[in-house]
Amino acid sequence: IAGITQAPTSQILAAGRRMTLRCTQDMRHNAMYWYRQDLGLGLRLIHYSNTAGTTGKGEVPDGYSVSRANTDDFPLTLASAVPSQTSVYFCASSEVQGLALHFGNGTRLTVT
Amino acid sequence: GEDVEQSLFLSVREGDSSVINCTYTDSSSTYLYWYKQEPGAGLQLLTYIFSNMDMKQDQRLTVLLNKKDKHLSLRIADTQTGDSAIYFCAEIIGRDDKIIFGKGTRLHILP
Repeated sequence: IAGITQAPTSQILAAGRRMTLRCTQDMRHNAMYWYRQDLGLGLRLIHYSNTAGTTGKGEVPDGYSVSRANTDDFPLTLASAVPSQTSVYFCASSEVQGLALHFGNGTRLTVT
Repeated sequence: GEDVEQSLFLSVREGDSSVINCTYTDSSSTYLYWYKQEPGAGLQLLTYIFSNMDMKQDQRLTVLLNKKDKHLSLRIADTQTGDSAIYFCAEIIGRDDKIIFGKGTRLHILP
């Protein structure tokens, strides 16, 4: 079934540790995105990539990095996790930038 | 303002119409979107409207767009218990066509 796969589903992480959230899509979509969802704040864009080899900063990029080495994968890395990064993280993709997004099921991350 | 604005909560009786409102920021947004999020799940595209349209109807859903006021609304006719979810308005902003979301409106269905 075509779609977006995120891993892990959930994770508890000690503050200061490094963590990479994985995202893979098999729809050959050009654009990919990372959002975080927090109660009362909705979804906020962290980073995005409009095509393989390019990335851009969203609304809340600090403390996160991304790479887009190929079309299918768009990992999100927390270099040194802090408790304020406790959130649900959603990866999304679209055929081209600006078109409707397809979302993964999310990764629930708790930083202690 | 810089944010996509939505009211956070809406309660509606089963069978009545629900109207969820949104104010967006970028008048050049090509498309405007409504997404639905059910508990424990990711977001799913519900409907969208192209910026040169005033209204779009899709079965029980009606989207109204007022470009002058940058106001978007979603009407759900004959609201059912399965419509209970969080509804997000989204717009396209910037030269990289980033998609930015509102905080979401939680729709609660009363029996």
